[in-house]
Amino acid sequence: EAQVTQNPRYLITVTGKKLTVTCSQNMNHEYMSWYRQDPGLGLRQIYYSMNVEVTDKGDVPEGYKVSRKEKRNFPLILESPSPNQTSLYFCASRGQGYNEQFFGPGTRLTVL
Amino acid sequence: QKEVEQDPGPLSVPEGAIVSLNCTYSNSAFQYFMWYRQYSRKGPELLMYTYSSGNKEDGRFTAQVDKSSKYISLFIRDSQPSDSATYLCAMSSVASGTYKYIFGTGTRLKVLA
Repeated sequence: EAQVTQNPRYLITVTGKKLTVTCSQNMNHEYMSWYRQDPGLGLRQIYYSMNVEVTDKGDVPEGYKVSRKEKRNFPLILESPSPNQTSLYFCASRGQGYNEQFFGPGTRLTVL
Repeated sequence: QKEVEQDPGPLSVPEGAIVSLNCTYSNSAFQYFMWYRQYSRKGPELLMYTYSSGNKEDGRFTAQVDKSSKYISLFIRDSQPSDSATYLCAMSSVASGTYKYIFGTGTRLKVLA
């Protein structure tokens, strides 16, 4: 089944404790992206990657890091999480030349 | 001013009604316009995609883009309770290589049986 998977689905952590949210897709897509979704603010793009080893900032990259060492994986790293990073995070992927982004199921992160 | 404005709702309609959902935007460089549907506790899924101005129809759904007014719409005919979800508009531009997306805040729709 073609899909985007994220892990973990739920995470409660404390300020300053480094964490990684994994994202993997099995559709051989070149493009992958991370978003956060907050009430009243909608979906905002954090980082995106056009292909392996090629990444760029979205609208809200502060406090996040990404890497794209393999085509299928695009982890999101929070090196020192803060409470304002409490949010619902989505990973998405898209084939080159196509317009449909496929979204993962989301990761609900709470930073205390 | 936000680049994309969308009425958050909630919008409640009876089954069978015609629903109109709208977004306005300020960036004239946007050329790609999308509507996503998001059910509770799920990721968004693409409903409609339109390039530049015009209309596009797919079953009960019609997407309209008016670039002169910087206004896009999604119409749902014969609405069903299964259409109850949050609807998000999204846009991107050729200048960004269509890699950057701006989303509206979403409109919550409830269709009453």
